[in-house]
Amino acid sequence: GESVGLHLPTLSVQEGDNSIINCAYSNSASDYFIWYKQESGKGPQFIIDIRSNMDKRQGQRVTVLLNKTVKHLSLQIAATQPGDSAVYFCAETPDSNYQLIWGAGTKLIIKP
Amino acid sequence: DAGITQSPRHKVTETGTPVTLRCHQTENHRYMYWYRQDPGHGLRLIHYSYGVKDTDKGEVSDGYSVSRSKTEDFLLTLESATSSQTSVYFCATTDRGRGMNTEAFFGQGTRLTVV
Repeated sequence: GESVGLHLPTLSVQEGDNSIINCAYSNSASDYFIWYKQESGKGPQFIIDIRSNMDKRQGQRVTVLLNKTVKHLSLQIAATQPGDSAVYFCAETPDSNYQLIWGAGTKLIIKP
Repeated sequence: DAGITQSPRHKVTETGTPVTLRCHQTENHRYMYWYRQDPGHGLRLIHYSYGVKDTDKGEVSDGYSVSRSKTEDFLLTLESATSSQTSVYFCATTDRGRGMNTEAFFGQGTRLTVV
């Protein structure tokens, strides 16, 4: 697989604690948002999505919060595990086209 | 990786030479995408396809062309490679249409180095 040595914002979290990864999106017209996880040497993998008519959505150990007023998206990971170590990307889709607009990513490091 | 195969996985080429990267999917997804990933930029869309022989440009399409002659294959060509095209290239597919789920499935990437 491939990986990229990105100079990214980094979040270090103790194993077992909750992680919160934040993302500011750019387009107030965006109506769909996705969080992706990219492990070292792999392509991005879908985690969870949310539409603009919602402000919260929960998955397995993950929750996405959307604040349209300030154009802010967050990903909460409960009881962080070593396998959660990865780069996390938010992506948005404006209503007018099919393209995803990607954020630069946040690197999550789990401390034992 | 949802049946998406990229080839080659690694490539070193000289400036000025043509290079073609291949993406093959077994998901019968309508939409296919080529991204490049560079430090500090996340993923940037190069070209995408919304059907056989239907393609359009993304945000960084200069110096790249694509072709899709059948549903399962999407080719990315660098007509004359430059050092600025050194990057990791990812192919992705979705079965989305407007208003539908846009979850994308990604290949494992191709590391291209232009020397």
